[in-house]
Amino acid sequence: GAVVSQHPSWVICKSGTSVKIECRSLDFQATTMFWYRQFPKQSLMLMATSNEGSKATYEQGVEKDKFLINHASLTLSTLTVTSAHPEDSSFYICSAEPRRGTSTDTQYFGPGTRLTVL
Amino acid sequence: EDQVTQSPEALRLQEGESSSLNCSYTVSGLRGLFWYRQDPGKGPEFLFTLYSAGEEKEKERLKATLTKKESFLHITAPKPEDSATYLCAVRNTYSGGGADGLTFGKGTHLIIQP
Repeated sequence: GAVVSQHPSWVICKSGTSVKIECRSLDFQATTMFWYRQFPKQSLMLMATSNEGSKATYEQGVEKDKFLINHASLTLSTLTVTSAHPEDSSFYICSAEPRRGTSTDTQYFGPGTRLTVL
Repeated sequence: EDQVTQSPEALRLQEGESSSLNCSYTVSGLRGLFWYRQDPGKGPEFLFTLYSAGEEKEKERLKATLTKKESFLHITAPKPEDSATYLCAVRNTYSGGGADGLTFGKGTHLIIQP
């Protein structure tokens, strides 16, 4: 149980293009999903919190217009990196927290998406 | 601001050699402390959640403990397949109006040699 998937697992794009990453909870409903970024040999840094049916909450320093988050349903959140640049190259990982009432406060993570911007 | 410091940064053990990983944390109100395992190029895999000082949890060769200032991940008689980066994270009780995610440490890179 508590499986989270991400698609794609890796993507290479040209500078200036946009990339969409999907995060799905496969066997549970997630009221809240989170997006993290991990640079090489660094730990995970929270980018934003995504709540179903409402606007995402972004961490300080994360550009809302650059990293668009949509939480369309209780099992799907998407992150769109707009006008990507080489400095956006990173490992993007989502997590999902089971719906309240069944929650253990635990976040379950997806396998990550490796983004390389040329 | 929540802070998590893990030590050592890297640890190399012989198979069967038990040891402990440390996670020191500073948080205004602890909602939970979490241990994850991360293999190269993959997302973190959930291991344990600890909520209050004195709590202990076990899973196979791993045992996590919690005090008011730190947590330990004890690994008993490790095997090569236990090699991974172990991440510690905290979640604050305060979540009003803002992001409610985890604050991670940098991890301990554990290598178990046969």
